[in-house]
Amino acid sequence: AQSVTQPDIHITVSEGASLELRCNYSYGATPYLFWYVQSPGQGLQLLLKYFSGDTLVQGIKGFEAEFKRSQSSFNLRKPSVHWSDAAEYFCAVGGSWGKLQFGAGTQVVVTP
Amino acid sequence: DAGVIQSPRHEVTEMGQEVTLRCKPISGHDYLFWYRQTMMRGLELLIYFNNNVPIDDSGMPEDRFSAKMPNASFSTLKIQPSEPRDSAVYFCASSPRTARNEKLFFGSGTQLSVL
Repeated sequence: AQSVTQPDIHITVSEGASLELRCNYSYGATPYLFWYVQSPGQGLQLLLKYFSGDTLVQGIKGFEAEFKRSQSSFNLRKPSVHWSDAAEYFCAVGGSWGKLQFGAGTQVVVTP
Repeated sequence: DAGVIQSPRHEVTEMGQEVTLRCKPISGHDYLFWYRQTMMRGLELLIYFNNNVPIDDSGMPEDRFSAKMPNASFSTLKIQPSEPRDSAVYFCASSPRTARNEKLFFGSGTQLSVL
């Protein structure tokens, strides 16, 4: 069975500081991995995805994520956070077809 | 393109009433998904369609829930009768294909409150 764990429910970060959000997954084959962001009152928007190839993937809004098969992780990073990055972030895992399994989400608060 | 359009944005109803949520996917997308988001359970896939045909409805909580897709540009999720525990945000999403699950486009959701 596939599963996704986001260990941090809530993270507070200062504007301009770096951000790392953790994601661990369990999947029986090569996973398709995603990070989505949800702003208040909005649907989810895709930040980036990993299917194969280079394990460091670049996304929108200056985000990147690194796939580490040995650690079953797909952590999301941003070098310098902006106030507009305050949102909830979801990691998701799935196969080449069918349904995605979403993590519980990490709420990011950005302080001045 | 206007994106995935859901209506209504907010719905408040009383227990026992029928509720119908609506979704218009992005034109040309072959797949449509209904998700439910709650604090307790997070994002759950309820059902998804391919070319208007339901493929997997294993996430539908019980018989009170039903979903239809009469054509490529419209889908409904119906709850009858509604219960307070159905209160949640319901998202519709569409995708050009899920052969690679490449990208889901989400609507803004319907906030449902059952009193």
